[in-house]
Amino acid sequence: DAGITQSPRHKVTETGTPVTLRCHQTENHRYMYWYRQDPGHGLRLIHYSYGVKDTDKGEVSDGYSVSRSKTEDFLLTLESATSSQTSVYFCAISGPSLAGGPYEQYFGPGTRLTVT
Amino acid sequence: QKEVEQNSGPLSVPEGAIASLNCTYSDRGSQSFFWYRQYSGKSPELIMSIYSNGDKEDGRFTAQLNKASQYVSLLIRDSQPSDSATYLCAVKTGDDYKLSFGAGTTVTVRA
Repeated sequence: DAGITQSPRHKVTETGTPVTLRCHQTENHRYMYWYRQDPGHGLRLIHYSYGVKDTDKGEVSDGYSVSRSKTEDFLLTLESATSSQTSVYFCAISGPSLAGGPYEQYFGPGTRLTVT
Repeated sequence: QKEVEQNSGPLSVPEGAIASLNCTYSDRGSQSFFWYRQYSGKSPELIMSIYSNGDKEDGRFTAQLNKASQYVSLLIRDSQPSDSATYLCAVKTGDDYKLSFGAGTTVTVRA
């Protein structure tokens, strides 16, 4: 998984509670992304980061916030979880590397979140 | 119109046959194209990148790009049961580093 870890890997939470998912990379890549994947919708970008403290919204950002205080960590927060946020969340990274181009994205193992 | 569209499948092919997956995209200015493989319950794995018109071969996989017709395809030769997975097409659109993903095509290789 290209030096990317996500935590937790599984989480069950109740509606209305805050939830934070963590993505950690050891590749020193500049760009980091949060996606959600749902049946029938494929991968949808939630937020992304192009550097420390530099973030921007994706296509499904409502109800989510992110923070990046260090190159290696990208946090996704659900301020008040809803059942519609039940999904599998993937973190990805990209950046210039010796092996590939700067646009190739590599994915973490994912977090399965259930909101009851 | 979605930015990236794939055949919805599922695609069932016999072992040893060629599996052909197609992807079309709407942004004529797109320059970078990727194929990911995703096994059930796992994360997407990059298997091919292609940037120029024509064919690019890597083992049993061949990616084909035709920018004039705005499509990119993936051929899997000598399909094996281990190739059974969902294949995602991704296209870099715009000036930033974001990718747009298709919904994926599920391939089943039957023995």
